[in-house]
Amino acid sequence: GAGVSQSPSNKVTEKGKDVELRCDPISGHTALYWYRQSLGQGLEFLIYFQGNSAPDKSGLPSDRFSAERTGGSVSTLTIQRTQQEDSAVYLCASSDTSNQPQHFGDGTRLSIL
Amino acid sequence: DQQVKQNSPSLSVQEGRISILNCDYTNSMFDYFLWYKKYPAEGPTFLISISSIKDKNEDGRFTVFLNKSAKHLSLHIVPSQPGDSAVYFCAASGTRTGANNLFFGTGTRLTVIP
Repeated sequence: GAGVSQSPSNKVTEKGKDVELRCDPISGHTALYWYRQSLGQGLEFLIYFQGNSAPDKSGLPSDRFSAERTGGSVSTLTIQRTQQEDSAVYLCASSDTSNQPQHFGDGTRLSIL
Repeated sequence: DQQVKQNSPSLSVQEGRISILNCDYTNSMFDYFLWYKKYPAEGPTFLISISSIKDKNEDGRFTVFLNKSAKHLSLHIVPSQPGDSAVYFCAASGTRTGANNLFFGTGTRLTVIP
């Protein structure tokens, strides 16, 4: 489809394992964002990519979190040594430029046992 | 520190009546505001936006009002339909905030009763 695609849709893993979440933005969108939504909370910003500029990592909660965006398109969010508090829905969004409506994928529901 | 607040976690409205969802913000540097609708197990869907140079933007049944002096915005849905039942998130951003992301409220669950 033409929307933002995220995989996997669900991920269950044991505490201490590493996980990788993938995002395919809308074709041609230069801006890509990662957010997470914990239970009962609003969306919390994690990281932002714009073109070839250095990413804005100001929202990453710890150094266990990292993200890449290869070739200005697909992005992966990696969480190392997962903890139970990492359980959340991880949402990716893309937009034409910054300060334009962001279009979201359906998210990856991550559950840490 | 929550910069965007939605103080009503839920709202129930009869079909055909007006739904009014409210949102307050604290950062005066915000200049762009959006509403998103979210169904369970789906990502948020963009609904309507407004720039700070305007005080009203209308799109079909949806109207967003912005009161900059009160740092308040609202979304009006009229007439409300059962398919409007969802969680509505208010979001804000600003070119002058130094931040590139959207700041979200915690959402209001709207239930439209047939």
